[in-house]
Amino acid sequence: ETGVTQSPTHLIKTRGQQVTLRCSSQSGHNTVSWYQQALGQGPQFIFQYYREEENGRGNFPPRFSGLQFPNYSSELNVNALELDDSALYLCASSLVGQLSSGNTIYFGEGSWLTVV
Amino acid sequence: DAKTTQPPSMDCAEGRAANLPCNHSTISGNEYVYWYRQIHSQGPQYIIHGLKNNETNEMASLIITEDRKSSTLILPHATLRDTAVYYCIVRVFNTNAGKSTFGDGTTLTVKP
Repeated sequence: ETGVTQSPTHLIKTRGQQVTLRCSSQSGHNTVSWYQQALGQGPQFIFQYYREEENGRGNFPPRFSGLQFPNYSSELNVNALELDDSALYLCASSLVGQLSSGNTIYFGEGSWLTVV
Repeated sequence: DAKTTQPPSMDCAEGRAANLPCNHSTISGNEYVYWYRQIHSQGPQYIIHGLKNNETNEMASLIITEDRKSSTLILPHATLRDTAVYYCIVRVFNTNAGKSTFGDGTTLTVKP
C-alpha cells in the first residue's frame, strides 16, 4: 500500500477524444510525476509537478498536459487521443527536500487506457 | 540521468538467493541507485536504494561496487511471489526526483 490512488482503473476512449486521469498522492508529498507504460516496456516519464508547477517533461507532445492541486491531487489530460496512446498510465508521488525520505517515489496501480 | 543495463531475463529456484545485476557505468557522483519491481499489471513497487554503501532492508540487499559502476540486488530467499520485472534506475537527489529513466528491466522467474 503506497498511499497513491488513481482513477479510473480502466477506460476505453475513441480516437480523437480527450481523457482526464486522476491521482491522489501520498499525504505530504510535494511532487507528483506521470508515466506512460506500453505493453512489454518500462515506464516512460511524461512530466513532473513540484509545488503545483511543471518542472520536468519527457519526450511527449503538448497534447499531454497536467495539473497538481494544493490538496495533493493531480490530473493528467490527453487531448486528441491516438491509438498509440493505449497504455498503462502511472502516477507517482514523492517528498523532495527531506533527506530522510530518500526521494523515494511511490507509484499508484495505474489507469489502463484503451483507445479504439 | 545515467542509463542502466540489465539482463532481459533470469531464472531462480524457490528458496535460493536471486542476484540481479545492473550496469550503470556512466553514473555521476550525486546519482543514487534505486531498485523497483513490477508484478504483472500492477504499479512499480519500491525495493531499496543506495548511494555508495551497501544497503539492506526487509525485502532485499543492495551491493554497489566501489567504483559505483555496477550494482547487484539480492533477494536472499526467493519465493514464487518474487516473480516480477525488476528495474534498476539511477537518478539525482534533487527536485527532479520524479524523473526516473526506466529501461526494460529484468524479468525474474522464480521456479518451484
